Amino acid sequence: AQSVTQPDIHITVSEGASLELRCNYSYGATPYLFWYVQSPGQGLQLLLKYFSGDTLVQGIKGFEAEFKRSQSSFNLRKPSVHWSDAAEYFCAVASSGAGSYQLTFGKGTKLSVIP
Amino acid sequence: EPEVTQTPSHQVTQMGQEVILRCVPISNHLYFYWYRQILGQKVEFLVSFYNNEISEKSEIFDDQFSVERPDGSNFTLKIRSTKLEDSAMYFCASSAPSDMGNTIYFGEGSWLTVV
Repeated sequence: AQSVTQPDIHITVSEGASLELRCNYSYGATPYLFWYVQSPGQGLQLLLKYFSGDTLVQGIKGFEAEFKRSQSSFNLRKPSVHWSDAAEYFCAVASSGAGSYQLTFGKGTKLSVIP
Repeated sequence: EPEVTQTPSHQVTQMGQEVILRCVPISNHLYFYWYRQILGQKVEFLVSFYNNEISEKSEIFDDQFSVERPDGSNFTLKIRSTKLEDSAMYFCASSAPSDMGNTIYFGEGSWLTVV
């Protein structure tokens, strides 16, 4: 069965500092990987996704993630964090059903940003 | 940008009552999902729905739950005889056919409180 581990429950960074959120997955085949962000009281917004091809993927809001098969990782990065980035971030891996996708989420990493 | 809309945003119900959560998926999407997030826990897959039938369901999705697409636009989750442990945020989601990118778009969630 697939699983996702986000080792950091809570991270605090200063505004303008760089950010890396860790994600490790367990999946038997080539994974489809996603990062979602959830602001307080909001739904899940897709930041970026990896299906195939270039292992460095760019997303919205200046985020990027790198797929490293050898490390079973898909870490999320941003070079300079803004206060509005404070939110909870979820990594997810997808298994494909009959045309549909079942996402397995990690427990999330809460990001706090210090002004 | 098209979005998934959910109603109600928050519902309080007494234990044992039936609840219907409603969703309007993105109009050209064909796959529909329900996920839930118990407070402080992971987002969990409940069910996927395609071509007017369930395509996958998790072990959480037992006989207490049912889904329906009563017309061309709505997608509902019914929870019969609610229990305290059904208190959670319920997310509806939808996705397009695989040739359109396979991104799963989430609504903002319906927060269910069972008392």
